[in-house]
Formats: sequence, C-alpha cells, structure tokens
Amino acid sequence: EVQLLESGGGLVQPGGSLRLSCAASGFSFSISAMSWVRQAPGKGLKWVSGIGASGGSTYYADSVKGRFTISRDNSKNTLYLQMHSLRAEDTAVYYCAKDGLRVYYPMDLWGQGTTVTVSS
Amino acid sequence: QPVLTQPPSASGTPGQRVTISCSGSSSNIGSNTVNWYQQLPGTAPKLLIHSNNQRPSGVPDRFSGSKSGTSASLAISGLQSEDEADYYCAAWDDSLCWVFGGGTKLTVL
Repeated sequence: EVQLLESGGGLVQPGGSLRLSCAASGFSFSISAMSWVRQAPGKGLKWVSGIGASGGSTYYADSVKGRFTISRDNSKNTLYLQMHSLRAEDTAVYYCAKDGLRVYYPMDLWGQGTTVTVSS
Repeated sequence: QPVLTQPPSASGTPGQRVTISCSGSSSNIGSNTVNWYQQLPGTAPKLLIHSNNQRPSGVPDRFSGSKSGTSASLAISGLQSEDEADYYCAAWDDSLCWVFGGGTKLTVL
C-alpha cells in the first residue's frame, strides 16, 4: 500500500527539542523529494521544509531556518524533521508529503499527520 | 499572513457551480504552476488539481482549474454535499519555498 506514516509528535516545553519521523512505503522513496507541512490548530497549511531525493538539497521556511533540520535515510525509507528551540507558535499537526522527482513538484501523497504541542 | 490570497469562505447549493480564487505574485503564481488541495474535515490534505488544470487519477471532472497571470481559480460544477471541505491553493515560489493560500471553507447549503 502506498502510504506515509508520521510519528514522534508529542508535548514539549518551550525551548525543547523533538524529532519527527515519516515512514514511506509502496513507492520509490529514494527517487522522491519530500516535504514537511504543518497546520496550526484551526489554521491553514504552511510549508516547513523540503529535501531532494538524495538529501543533497534542503529548503526551509524562514520561520524555522536555523532551528529545524530535515534529513532522510533512503536505506530505511524514512524522512526526518529535527526540531530545536521550539516555540509555542510551532504547535501544529505536522504532515509529511511526497513531492515527486523535485521539491517543486506537486505534493501528491500525504501522511495522516503527527501532533506537536509546545507548552509549559 | 498567507502569501497567496483566497476568500475565507464560499458556498453553494447542490448542483450549482462555485469558483474559488487564488491571487499571488510574479514570484509564485506568475512564474510557476498552481496546485489545489482538498482537506475534508478531520483528514489530511489531498491533491485535487496540479499544474494549473490537471486532475490526478480518481478526481472527478467536476473539478477544474485555471490560471491567468498571477491569479488562479478552482471551479466545482455539479456541487455535491461531499464537496464540503477546505480548499487550498499552492505554488512554488522563486525564493525556493512552497507558498499556500489561507484556505477557503466551502459550505454546501
């Protein structure tokens, strides 16, 4: 089955860290660019970060640059998002999405999301 | 504030045709293609239209997209109750990031 399954969300204090994972199955992960998109409670979608198929190219939204790091392990078909210095405004459902051959290709497959809550 | 501008809400009765607009700039919609996503209540987004006007396999032909200059539109004809959802436009920006619209909540009256 073609799917993306996120994990790693939870409750974390402001200033803390968290690592999200996204396990891919049913498609050629190693030739697919990937992205993370988040959705704050009651708000719209906001792109967070993207990574090329080989991992050599990474892209970030200004709001997370320097705090978040996207990476991937093609041998494990897994995408990661390491988040540091978390803020209340990072509270959101985080979705991983498959972009296609390049990060600027349409996001044609989405996971079900994992919830990150930043609160003391 | 979202980079792309959408109306916050839209509505129609069953069978009607509704359109949702999306306005951007020369660095996103003006120079790259537009995608549309449908998010049903409590679910993850789903790709509805890509490359301005292309429907992925399985998307009914009631859904169509268009683009002109720095604006795009999503049209839904023969509106059905199951079309009630949030709709988002998105485009790649030349500053190397994806930008989204704020979303339009479609209500089927």
